[in-house]
Amino acid sequence: DTEVTQTPKHLVMGMTNKKSLKCEQHMGHRAMYWYKQKAKKPPELMFVYSYEKLSINESVPSRFSPECPNSSLLNLHLHALQPEDSALYLCASSQGRLLLDNEQFFGPGTRLTVL
Amino acid sequence: AQTVTQSQPEMSVQEAETVTLSCTYDTSENNYYLFWYKQPPSRQMILVIRQEAYKQQNATENRFSVNFQKAAKSFSLKISDSQLGDTAMYFCAFTSGSNYGGSQGNLIFGKGTKLSVKP
Repeated sequence: DTEVTQTPKHLVMGMTNKKSLKCEQHMGHRAMYWYKQKAKKPPELMFVYSYEKLSINESVPSRFSPECPNSSLLNLHLHALQPEDSALYLCASSQGRLLLDNEQFFGPGTRLTVL
Repeated sequence: AQTVTQSQPEMSVQEAETVTLSCTYDTSENNYYLFWYKQPPSRQMILVIRQEAYKQQNATENRFSVNFQKAAKSFSLKISDSQLGDTAMYFCAFTSGSNYGGSQGNLIFGKGTKLSVKP
């Protein structure tokens, strides 16, 4: 299995809602990533987990809350989002964080719309 | 700071022809990898090709090949015999072995080149 899966594919939420995005991989990878991607722009790194520990938080607002319950699963909890948070949210994984291990495999993304 | 520059926001090519996408980067590192990622309109980002900086030989994957010029810090992607399915955003990306600021393993992306293959 060489896939990274993400659910849901699409999500529409109001500014007062709480929702979660889910990412899963079964490749035995120990590093997992959340990216935010606006239209026609490259992905922007949000969070990195390495061995289920948060290793990087790229100054992301607290209305985004990541969670890594186990080595295969990564969640992104959303609360009190703003319309400018509407974007494609990509999850990726890699074997590790060392140079030799860090080829990243991306999921298909969740298209988030905040009303 | 490490940067990746893609100077061609959009390109087009006729089916079956060859096209080259440009990428330059800036780094003081000696140990790094370079990637080309493809993101079709259906969104999923996939790796096209990877080049390790210490390897002088240019990487190839079927119709895709790179021209890696380490001294010039240039990493262009050549697509031969272009197919309609090659229509996509192409991102050049860099990662290094340096762990400055905990950044080891992070991908630094260029702004992308939108490639359209015309029938």
